[in-house]
Amino acid sequence: QVQLVESGGGVVQPGTSLRLSCAASGFTFSHYGLHWVRQAPGRGLEWVAVITYDGRNDYYADSVKGRFTVSRDNSNSTLFLQMNTLRGVDTAVYYCVKSYIGGYRGYFDLWGRGARVTVSS
Amino acid sequence: EIVLTQSPGTLSLSPGEGATLSCRASQSVSTGYFAWYQQKPGQAPRLLIYASSSRATGIPDRFSGSGSGTDFTLTITRLEPEDFAVYYCQQHGSSPITFGQGTRLDLK
Repeated sequence: QVQLVESGGGVVQPGTSLRLSCAASGFTFSHYGLHWVRQAPGRGLEWVAVITYDGRNDYYADSVKGRFTVSRDNSNSTLFLQMNTLRGVDTAVYYCVKSYIGGYRGYFDLWGRGARVTVSS
Repeated sequence: EIVLTQSPGTLSLSPGEGATLSCRASQSVSTGYFAWYQQKPGQAPRLLIYASSSRATGIPDRFSGSGSGTDFTLTITRLEPEDFAVYYCQQHGSSPITFGQGTRLDLK
């Protein structure tokens, strides 16, 4: 079954860290770029980060640059998002999303169900 | 950053009617890098249209996309009950990738 399954969400205090994981199945993971997209409660979609198929290149939204790091383990078909120095504005559902190509400019053809992250004291 | 502005914010229609959703970009977007997504409450978005006018796998032909440059349109003919959702446009050719703020299609 072709799917992406996120895990690692939760409630954390401001200034702390959290790592999200995304397990992929049903397709050749190492061939595709992968993104993180988030959605704050009641809000629209915000692109967060992307990593190319080979893990050599990654790009970030200005809102998370320097705090978040995307990485991947192609041998285990898993995507990660390390989130440091979390802020209240980072509260959102985080979606793991597959690009239709290996680079960073493809449209998003497969979405996970999302992992909820709440940053609150 | 390319800003995408969707209109209207909310569209209230009845099943069987047609819907026209617009998305205007602050700069020209290549048609190859423009997409539409549908999101239902409590669900992840799903791809509807890519490359401005190509339907994704499994998307019924009552959905169609058109446009170029800075103006793009999603048209839904003969609305079905399952079409009432939020629709987002996206450009994925320039960094950062950006989405419109969404158009909510409500049941009248």
